[in-house]
Amino acid sequence: NAGVMQNPRHLVRRRGQEARLRCSPMKGHSHVYWYRQLPEEGLKFMVYLQKENIIDESGMPKERFSAEFPKEGPSILRIQQVVRGDSAAYFCASSPPNPTDTQYFGPGTRLTVL
Amino acid sequence: EDQVTQSPEALRLQEGESSSLNCSYTVSGLRGLFWYRQDPGKGPEFLFTLYSAGEEKEKERLKATLTKKESFLHITAPKPEDSATYLCAVGGAETSGSRLTFGEGTQLTVNP
Repeated sequence: NAGVMQNPRHLVRRRGQEARLRCSPMKGHSHVYWYRQLPEEGLKFMVYLQKENIIDESGMPKERFSAEFPKEGPSILRIQQVVRGDSAAYFCASSPPNPTDTQYFGPGTRLTVL
Repeated sequence: EDQVTQSPEALRLQEGESSSLNCSYTVSGLRGLFWYRQDPGKGPEFLFTLYSAGEEKEKERLKATLTKKESFLHITAPKPEDSATYLCAVGGAETSGSRLTFGEGTQLTVNP
């Protein structure tokens, strides 16, 4: 049973470019979460999605950031017009439908903004 | 607002020297408390889920316990391969879905 997959593992962008991060949940999991880990800081929740629905985006910055989880294909976290402060590790997690169930994390995408 | 505080920030042990990591939390209705292990450059790896005070779970040299205010991760006779950052997280009943609030972790180093 494959785990949570994220790609790319490393992404380098120049200021002002767009970054697209992809996440495929574990088989049988219908809930996807995105977290950000800034250097020397803890994991911070960004957004929670189910297929074709954003359930909770209270942790997302108001501008430049968006997320989707289409009916087919991976979940996408999109960052427009990246700035140096966006440099971080972005982790995706997935869980089965029961809200008390454990979240399993992917290996992360490390975004570096030059 | 859910809050998680972990202590100590860093811990150095000799191989075989047992110790405990602490996770203090405040949450409106605990749905679950989670322990993860994170190695440098990797994603968090699930260790345990605890749901109610008094619950305990064990896996190899690790044992997690839960009270109404805190959780402990006990490490018995650690080995160098146990070196990692250990993360504690809570899911609160008032947060939509099951998003987690994480502590900043305890960085454990086990010297041979």
